[in-house]
Amino acid sequence: LAKTTQPISMDSYEGQEVNITCSHNNIATNDYITWYQQFPSQGPRFIIQGYKTKVTNEVASLFIPADRKSSTLSLPRVSLSDTAVYYCLVGLSDKIIFGKGTRLHILP
Amino acid sequence: DADVTQTPRNRITKTGKRIMLECSQTKGHDRMYWYRQDPGLGLRLIYYSFDVKDINKGEISDGYSVSRQAQAKFSLSLESAIPNQTALYFCATIGGSRDEQFFGPGTRLTVL
Repeated sequence: LAKTTQPISMDSYEGQEVNITCSHNNIATNDYITWYQQFPSQGPRFIIQGYKTKVTNEVASLFIPADRKSSTLSLPRVSLSDTAVYYCLVGLSDKIIFGKGTRLHILP
Repeated sequence: DADVTQTPRNRITKTGKRIMLECSQTKGHDRMYWYRQDPGLGLRLIYYSFDVKDINKGEISDGYSVSRQAQAKFSLSLESAIPNQTALYFCATIGGSRDEQFFGPGTRLTVL
């Protein structure tokens, strides 16, 4: 499973766009990139998944450059309720490993 | 009703006691997982199972055992609990076209 690197923490303000970048230099050809969100004392929940270029859904966008060695989760116009930990995972392995994620703190 | 349920939701026990955490799912997925999470840390994989006859160790299986009683049920046992097993435990299944993981609400375990 490809190793991922993401910032430990980030702060932003309500109404701003937040971009969280994840590095995955050893991504394999068949690997997908998946992001999860976790609120305190809850299990992670799926946000978005992509393979290349751009994917958008009702909560986020995922940008993946041509070399696929990194990806950026974009949260438009964040609110206080977006304060959470965000995990970047690479691969569709049966043995899913979570890193420490990025702790996003939204300020009023 | 929730797709993945865990019981109990909270448990306080003493060192040396045997304890079982239970997980049930209604998603019909074959793959099930147990994770633990310590404050400020990510999730660490304890055990996972691909079907009723398949059990695999994760990153931190020492001190834990599991039982896959049926496709829908996956139990985690601590044979002799110790204080450093105090943590939040999550059960998850995986399936669907995106191989998405679905997590239970968690069990907060305290070992005194």
